[in-house]
Amino acid sequence: DGGITQSPKYLFRKEGQNVTLSCEQNLNHDAMYWYRQDPGQGLRLIYYSQIVNDFQKGDIAEGYSVSREKKESFPLTVTSAQKNPTAFYLCASSMRDRASVYGYTFGSGTRLTVV
Amino acid sequence: SQQGEEDPQALSIQEGENATMNCSYKTSINNLQWYRQNSGRGLVHLILIRSNEREKHSGRLRVTLDTSKKSSSLLITASRAADTASYFCATLNFGNEKLTFGTGTRLTIIP
Repeated sequence: DGGITQSPKYLFRKEGQNVTLSCEQNLNHDAMYWYRQDPGQGLRLIYYSQIVNDFQKGDIAEGYSVSREKKESFPLTVTSAQKNPTAFYLCASSMRDRASVYGYTFGSGTRLTVV
Repeated sequence: SQQGEEDPQALSIQEGENATMNCSYKTSINNLQWYRQNSGRGLVHLILIRSNEREKHSGRLRVTLDTSKKSSSLLITASRAADTASYFCATLNFGNEKLTFGTGTRLTIIP
């Protein structure tokens, strides 16, 4: 079955640590996105990538980094510079130039908690 | 930045009733999309309406778009317990592929 997989489902981070959230898709989608969701709020865009080896900052990129070395994978690193990382992180993908037709496909999310 | 604002923030109705939620946005759009999110899960795409369309149907869903008022509404008819979820509108501007999401409406269907 085609889909988008995020792992782990739950992640705990100590103060000062970097952690990496995984996002893998087998939908052959060109574009991938990372969103952050805080309780009772909507989604805010962190980073997005429309092709391999290229990515752009979204609205809240500070304290985060990404890479796009393979079409299938778009990992997100939450660095120690991110002062309030506790949130629900969602990865999404879409066919290039087709988000306006088919929308996004989302993963099931990773809940990150700072301990 | 959040493009859309949903109204109401929360809605509780009896099973079988219709549920209406509204979305307002700020800038010109290519299209507007509605997504559902079950608690602790990812979002699922429900329906998309283009800027040159006024109304669209899909099963028990009906979405309207008024570009002059920069607003949209989602109607779920004959609600079911399984419709309990948060619903988000999202807008896509011309020239890019980035969706901007609203703050969501939490819908509870009372059996």
